[in-house]
Amino acid sequence: AQSVAQPEDQVNVAEGNPLTVKCTYSVSGNPYLFWYVQYPNRGLQFLLKYITGDNLVKGSYGFEAEFNKSQTSFHLKKPSALVSDSALYFCAVRADDKIIFGKGTRLHILP
Amino acid sequence: DTGVSQDPRHKITKRGQNVTFRCDPISEHNRLYWYRQTLGQGPEFLTYFQNEAQLEKSRLLSDRFSAERPKGSFSTLEIQRTEQGDSAMYLCASSEGRGIGQYFGPGTRLTVT
Repeated sequence: AQSVAQPEDQVNVAEGNPLTVKCTYSVSGNPYLFWYVQYPNRGLQFLLKYITGDNLVKGSYGFEAEFNKSQTSFHLKKPSALVSDSALYFCAVRADDKIIFGKGTRLHILP
Repeated sequence: DTGVSQDPRHKITKRGQNVTFRCDPISEHNRLYWYRQTLGQGPEFLTYFQNEAQLEKSRLLSDRFSAERPKGSFSTLEIQRTEQGDSAMYLCASSEGRGIGQYFGPGTRLTVT
């Protein structure tokens, strides 16, 4: 079965420090991978996607993600965190014609 | 605003009542998806349409749930005889082509009392 795992329920990072939000996946075939962000009482906002090509994918708001096929990982990263990055982040994989989401990781950026 | 819109944004209803939600996708998108998100979980797929055809339904979609997209544009999701377990955020998304990139609406938060 195709699935996504986000091993951390919450990540705390000091403002200005680099951040990483972890994600591993399990799919058959080549993966289509995504990161979404959700602010309180809001829908999901698309951050970035990996379909093919460079393993380092750049997205919105300074975020990037690194695809690692051997480790089946797709970690989200940002070189310098902002307080406004505090939100709920979802890793997702496309399976057939739908998207399967992880449980989410709550990111707290401490001022 | 040309994004995905959903109406209403919030709905409070009593157990046993019927509710209907509406989703208006991005105008050129032929695919429309419904997801449900409960507290502390990621969104879970419910169903999707390509144009007016409903192509797949999740096992989560019980007989009390029905979705339509009659003209291949907006869609409605109806829940009959609501139960407290139906309380959730209902998210709509749309995409073009094969749905690789899905764009989400703001969601409808349903509370069943």
